[in-house]
Amino acid sequence: SQKIEQNSEALNIQEGKTATLTCNYTNYSPAYLQWYRQDPGRGPVFLLLIRENEKEKRKERLKVTFDTTLKQSLFHITASQPADSATYLCAPRSEGGGNKLTFGTGTQLKVEL
Amino acid sequence: NAGVMQNPRHLVRRRGQEARLRCSPMKGHSHVYWYRQLPEEGLKFMVYLQKENIIDESGMPKERFSAEFPKEGPSILRIQQVVRGDSAAYFCASSRGTGAPENYGYTFGSGTRLTVV
Repeated sequence: SQKIEQNSEALNIQEGKTATLTCNYTNYSPAYLQWYRQDPGRGPVFLLLIRENEKEKRKERLKVTFDTTLKQSLFHITASQPADSATYLCAPRSEGGGNKLTFGTGTQLKVEL
Repeated sequence: NAGVMQNPRHLVRRRGQEARLRCSPMKGHSHVYWYRQLPEEGLKFMVYLQKENIIDESGMPKERFSAEFPKEGPSILRIQQVVRGDSAAYFCASSRGTGAPENYGYTFGSGTRLTVV
């Protein structure tokens, strides 16, 4: 069955540095993958989508890569700020198609002054 | 555009009671998804619905749980005879219909926090 892995340990970085979060998936090939941000007590918020034929996608300080050979997506936040502190979830389109997403457990990012 | 509205935000039920969670999707969205999130855990898919149809309920427990999305009104997730293990945050999300829904991602509500005492 499909499996999605994100680093369960929190990532602590200094303000201004680039944060890199990893999402690995196994046993299937998603047509696209999405990234979400979740703050405590709130629902996730959609950030970016990348398709399987796209190597890289950018939006302001965010960059996502998608390596279908390695079965991995990397999520980068450049010039990080304390306001970027949150949990980031990757969500590949689920096996079997349709609009259903399967979410990883998320990685908590803490940006310190 | 009010986004996805979930109510109530907090719900306390005694063991054995019924819990009803409501979700009104964003205007123009015809697909609704329910997820459950336990503390320190990820979002677990429960059910995917379109108007009057259940598309995928593979994540829904076989007993006590049901969901509907009627032609008129919000989507309802119903949990009968609740047990302590049902305590969790339940999130609803919506998306556009087929075409290019993936371009817009899901829009999530703020969730309903169910506590069973």
